[in-house]
Amino acid sequence: AQKVTQAQTEISVVEKEDVTLDCVYETRDTTYYLFWYKQPPSGELVFLIRRNSFDEQNEISGRYSWNFQKSTSSFNFTITASQVVDSAVYFCALRGSARQLTFGSGTQLTVLP
Amino acid sequence: DTGVSQDPRHKITKRGQNVTFRCDPISEHNRLYWYRQTLGQGPEFLTYFQNEAQLEKSRLLSDRFSAERPKGSFSTLEIQRTEQGDSAMYLCASSLAGKLGVPSGANVLTFGAGSRLTVL
Repeated sequence: AQKVTQAQTEISVVEKEDVTLDCVYETRDTTYYLFWYKQPPSGELVFLIRRNSFDEQNEISGRYSWNFQKSTSSFNFTITASQVVDSAVYFCALRGSARQLTFGSGTQLTVLP
Repeated sequence: DTGVSQDPRHKITKRGQNVTFRCDPISEHNRLYWYRQTLGQGPEFLTYFQNEAQLEKSRLLSDRFSAERPKGSFSTLEIQRTEQGDSAMYLCASSLAGKLGVPSGANVLTFGAGSRLTVL
């Protein structure tokens, strides 16, 4: 069985602050993929990033960065200099040997002006 | 390419009625998924198709639920004798799996905007 835990239900920050969204996963598979999706108020899930279990290099894309640590089974997501448009629900997801994605319960991020 | 389309976007029905949702995936995508999302939760897997074959069904998919993808293109999800517990957002996603040298597990799902069901 696989499981994704996003312990932070809601986070509120002021614009330009940095914020980190935590994701902890469980799987018995040795090969697996981790994903982050963003769900803005419009409701459509938007893909942000995919990492495989063999690549622990951190990744940066503009104001977004991801920290993957197999030792702690974590795949955390940091937004630097947050903006109001970053307000959304963010989901971490895992796919191992199963064909479907298993999602966490999401973190509601609110960025205040 | 217009992305994944779902119809209707909103459906309000009375308990006991049947409802049907339609999903039109990205045209070249061979996999199609249905997920259900309730308020404050992440999407939960219901079922998926590879072309026209339904390859996996979640235990969440009771016998009142049926999904089809008759020609490997669009898909329908029907809920019979709706119950108030069926109220949720029903999400469809599609992906291109097993091609272009991408491992199956790595394929990225593209989601539609969802169909919101309210059962009174």
